[in-house]
Formats: sequence, C-alpha cells, structure tokens
Amino acid sequence: DQQVKQNSPSLSVQEGRISILNCDYTNSMFDYFLWYKKYPAEGPTFLISISSIKDKNEDGRFTVFLNKSAKHLSLHIVPSQPGDSAVYFCAASAGSGGGADGLTFGKGTHLIIQP
Amino acid sequence: DSGVTQTPKHLITATGQRVTLRCSPRSGDLSVYWYQQSLDQGLQFLIQYYNGEERAKGNILERFSAQQFPDLHSELNLSSLELGDSALYFCASSVSSLETQYFGPGTRLLVL
Repeated sequence: DQQVKQNSPSLSVQEGRISILNCDYTNSMFDYFLWYKKYPAEGPTFLISISSIKDKNEDGRFTVFLNKSAKHLSLHIVPSQPGDSAVYFCAASAGSGGGADGLTFGKGTHLIIQP
Repeated sequence: DSGVTQTPKHLITATGQRVTLRCSPRSGDLSVYWYQQSLDQGLQFLIQYYNGEERAKGNILERFSAQQFPDLHSELNLSSLELGDSALYFCASSVSSLETQYFGPGTRLLVL
C-alpha cells in the first residue's frame, strides 16, 4: 500500500508559468514533508521541506503548501525555468525532521518545462 | 554536489555473488541511510545507522546487511544476488535523525 502518492507521472509547463506538483499521503503519523528534485544519473537533491505545524513554506521560487485535513501537499514553482525540468519526489517522515525511520517517497513526477 | 560520496558508480555482477557498496557521509553528519530505487518500487528506505549503531530498518532483505564504521563511512553488503536486486542504491546522510537528508550520486547495480 503506497503511503505517499504522486498521481501525475509527468507534467508539462511552459517556461515562465507556474508549475504545481501534487502529493497525497495516507499515514496520519507523518509530520514532516520534503520535496526532492532528481536529474538522471544523479542522486535526489533536497529542495524544500515543511513541518506539520505549518501550512506554507517558501524559499525563493519554491513554495510548499500543506493541507493536513486533506492529507495533501503541493509544490509551486514560480516562474518555471528550463533548468527545473527534472523528476520531483515528494517524501514524508513520521519521526520529525529528516526522518527518524527513513523517508517514505512517492514515485515521482517528471516535470518538463517547454520553451 | 551534496558532499556525500558513493563508490563504485557502477557495478555489474552475476547471480549468486556478493558485493559491497560504500558511502562516505558529509563532513559532520552522524546519520547514514541506505535506499534502493528500482523501476517498479521507486525509492525505498532500507536501513539507517547513527554514529555506528543501527537505528532503523525499512524494507531490507535478510540477504542484505550494512554497517557504519568509527570514521562514519558505511558499507551495504548484498549477498546471494538475484536478478531483481538490479537497482540504483543511494546513500544519504544527515547531522542527526531530526535533520534533512542529503543524498549521494548512487551506485547502479546490474545483476546478470
């Protein structure tokens, strides 16, 4: 049973527009959420995180929103740039911080930024 | 560059064999995590070590084992290899279990 779901395997967005990547989770014990970006042949790169005590966290062009009642989070990238083309993974942890018991990952969304 | 290093980058071996993957965490990080990424399962947590001690176990097979040494580098040992063990193996490190994990570039294992 997948505890973290990214239902869109791929997403195509025009350069300069907003990219919205979605993630749903089922485990109520998750209290910390992270987004990682991955290029081919590289390891995942940490982008942004949010604790369950917040509903929004912003870092430059990246904003993560958390809706605890809906068990849903989203990553907004504004404006989208060609270098943002990558696979984005949503991850969750039940041990606060980076994951006392390891991270549970979604299967990823491949974001393609069109010129 | 995350500061986490993994060797080797690629590994090709045969079924039934045993291999060792190595990970050096970022300077100052005490926690090391191992993950497996396969085509059908995505990224799955295998095991965590903190300052030399096993801290948490995920979906790690009994044929797999890991350890963390006094200098904090870690090794993942995979034995009696099967075709289905072919995957990318990532190591991540963090200052503590409460901090963000930073990933290495991975080791691509191909079992023939």
